[in-house]
Formats: sequence, C-alpha cells, structure tokens
Amino acid sequence: GENVEQHPSTLSVQEGDSAVIKCTYSDSASNYFPWYKQELGKGPQLIIDIRSNVGEKKDQRIAVTLNKTAKHFSLHITETQPEDSAVYFCAASKASGYSTLTFGKGTMLLVSP
Amino acid sequence: DTEVTQTPKHLVMGMTNKKSLKCEQHMGHRAMYWYKQKAKKPPELMFVYSYEKLSINESVPSRFSPECPNSSLLNLHLHALQPEDSALYLCASSQEARQETQYFGPGTRLLVL
Repeated sequence: GENVEQHPSTLSVQEGDSAVIKCTYSDSASNYFPWYKQELGKGPQLIIDIRSNVGEKKDQRIAVTLNKTAKHFSLHITETQPEDSAVYFCAASKASGYSTLTFGKGTMLLVSP
Repeated sequence: DTEVTQTPKHLVMGMTNKKSLKCEQHMGHRAMYWYKQKAKKPPELMFVYSYEKLSINESVPSRFSPECPNSSLLNLHLHALQPEDSALYLCASSQEARQETQYFGPGTRLLVL
C-alpha cells in the first residue's frame, strides 16, 4: 500500500520567515495530495491540495509543489504569522477505488513573534 | 459552506456504558468517514460510507458500530470500550467516495475510564 513520509517533525521559525514541509510517497498511482492544518483541539482543516496533472499551486501565502518523477511534494508558507502555528499533515490518495487518504506523521510548526 | 458538525464535543464514559457520537453535513456529500486520532498522530481511517452503505471497515473492533441513517447523518455507537479507545474521533465527508477532497469536523474528544 501507499506510504507517506513527512519531514521535519517539528519546525520553529521567526515571524515573517518562510517555512517548508516536505513529503514523499511510494505509490506512483497516487494522484491527489492535500495538506491539512490542525490547530490544538480542532479537526484538520484543508488548506491546499494539488493533483498530479499540476506542478505547482498557490493560494496567497501558501503554495504546494509536486514532483511526480521524484514522488515528492512540498508545502511552502511565506511571511509566516503566529496564527500559522499548528500541526500540518500531508496526505496522498489515488482516484481508483474508494478514495482513502494516507497521511504523513505530521509537522508541528511553531512561529515565534 | 464546507461545514461538518459533530456532537458531543467531549465525552467521558465508563467501560460498561453505551454512548453514541453524531456527525452531520449539509453539503450534499454522499460519502462520510469516521477516523480515530491519538495524540500527536495522524488520523486513522475506521469506516467509509458511500450512498449510506458501509463500503470500508478497516478491521475495527465490533465495540464500535457505525450507522448512516440518511445521507446527511453519520453515527458511531460505542459499547464496552477500553481505556485505549480514548482518542479524538473525527468525522469527514466528501462529494463522492471516489472524490478525494475530504472535509473534517471538529471531532469528539472521548475519554474511557
């Protein structure tokens, strides 16, 4: 089955810096890659996603890049703010069959003022 | 509107109790999911319902019993749980089971004594 590795497990940055979280996946049939942000005591919130026919997608301060050949995808957050502090999960799934998400282990991002 | 609601927010139960968790969405989604999340871990899939029929059961113990009374509602009935079942229980929905974008609810924090 699919295996998703996520690094780093924790990331501390100063406010205004950029943050990058990287994930690799094992199943070349995976074609959908969402990123979720989970704040303490809340459910995961979808922040951005990318499909395998696209190499990059941006939404304001957040961007995701996908390298299908290398089977890795990354989340980029620019101009970080304290409210970006949370746990971020990457995930992968494929369109065939029922769509189950395989999650990475998560990255705790701490943004210091 | 991408809202999934869950009740209750918190639940404490003894090992002999019977309780139920409830999930609701009004986005017209036809797939609904139950996940279990332990502290500092990613969500683990438990069940998938598609068009109100159970499609996936990830070998979940029978003390967890899901129910989908209609396309908007998903219940999880709990009976004779163990302390290790204490976790955050998340509900999610997607347009179809083959449509990958899943939206999560806030979760029910369950403590089994």
